[in-house]
Amino acid sequence: EAQVTQNPRYLITVTGKKLTVTCSQNMNHEYMSWYRQDPGLGLRQIYYSMNVEVTDKGDVPEGYKVSRKEKRNFPLILESPSPNQTSLYFCASSLGQRGIYNEQFFGPGTRLTVL
Amino acid sequence: AQSVTQPDIHITVSEGASLELRCNYSYGATPYLFWYVQSPGQGLQLLLKYFSGDTLVQGIKGFEAEFKRSQSSFNLRKPSVHWSDAAEYFCAVGAGSGGYQKVTFGIGTKLQVIP
Repeated sequence: EAQVTQNPRYLITVTGKKLTVTCSQNMNHEYMSWYRQDPGLGLRQIYYSMNVEVTDKGDVPEGYKVSRKEKRNFPLILESPSPNQTSLYFCASSLGQRGIYNEQFFGPGTRLTVL
Repeated sequence: AQSVTQPDIHITVSEGASLELRCNYSYGATPYLFWYVQSPGQGLQLLLKYFSGDTLVQGIKGFEAEFKRSQSSFNLRKPSVHWSDAAEYFCAVGAGSGGYQKVTFGIGTKLQVIP
């Protein structure tokens, strides 16, 4: 089944404790992206990647890191999480490097709480 | 930089009534426009998209949207709403060229359907 998977689905952590949210897709998509969803703010793009080893900032990259060492994986790293990063996070992927053209397939979301 | 405005945060309609959700965008060139739907506790699913050509586009689940360049709008419509349409709807614009491939979402419109 074609899908985007994220782990963990739920995470409660404390300020400053490094964490990684994994994202994997099995559709051989070039473009991958991370979003955070907050009430009243909709989805905001954190980082995107057009292909392996090619990443760029979205609208709200501060406090986040990403890497794209393999085509299928696009982990989101919070080196020192803070309470304002409490949010619902979505990973998405789409065919082709030009992600603005194509339908994005979304993962189920990761609900992160930073105490 | 592109932006998307969804002026209605919450809309309530009766089952069987018609629906129109508004979306306005800001971008200097022709954008790539999308409507996504998010059911409670789920990720986002593409309803329809517009790139060029016919300004009236058909999507899944009986939805359609019309691109009006003069009004910078891309409103979503459905002639007869079903209870299962209750969800949150997001308009999105993709813009960029070359290594710049950002997707910007609106804040969403939550649709409530009453019997």
